[in-house]
Amino acid sequence: SQKIEQNSEALNIQEGKTATLTCNYTNYSPAYLQWYRQDPGRGPVFLLLIRENEKEKRKERLKVTFDTTLKQSLFHITASQPADSATYLCALVSYNNNDMRFGAGTRLTVKP
Amino acid sequence: DAEITQSPRHKITETGRQVTLACHQTWNHNNMFWYRQDLGHGLRLIHYSYGVQDTNKGEVSDGYSVSRSNTEDLPLTLESAASSQTSVYFCASSEHSGDNEQFFGPGTRLTVL
Repeated sequence: SQKIEQNSEALNIQEGKTATLTCNYTNYSPAYLQWYRQDPGRGPVFLLLIRENEKEKRKERLKVTFDTTLKQSLFHITASQPADSATYLCALVSYNNNDMRFGAGTRLTVKP
Repeated sequence: DAEITQSPRHKITETGRQVTLACHQTWNHNNMFWYRQDLGHGLRLIHYSYGVQDTNKGEVSDGYSVSRSNTEDLPLTLESAASSQTSVYFCASSEHSGDNEQFFGPGTRLTVL
């Protein structure tokens, strides 16, 4: 069966460090992958998209990698700040179907 | 500014009642989606629409229905609410299919007693 796993339910790091979140998938042929941020009581907000043929994408302090051999995406936040504390969701769209499937999310806490 | 709104934001109902959750977007997006979010499961797709009169079932569609009579609205109906449908419901829209970001509403917290 198809699975999307974000392997840490919660991640605590110190301000200024780099946060690395992982998204693993099985039985997917992903066309592309997206990362979203969700704050408590709010809907998810889009951050970055990376396509199957792209290895890496950057946006300000954010970096996403996509390894289709390992079936994994890594999401990095450099120079993390307490304001980065939120839940981060990965989502895949595969070639086989058009709908987007989400992982359960990783709750990141950045401590001052 | 364009936006996506959901109403009500909170709803308590009883088992067996019909409930309709509203979703309205002013981006003129063709695509609209309904998800439910539960602890440990993340977001799961209920129904989606690629345009007026188009509706499709998602991963967890049993017990839910949608209709799309105009571009702006995609109401979600629970025909006979069950306690298992207690959840937070999110509506989203996107301009196109494929590699377009989705814009999410603020969510509706539904409790079925």
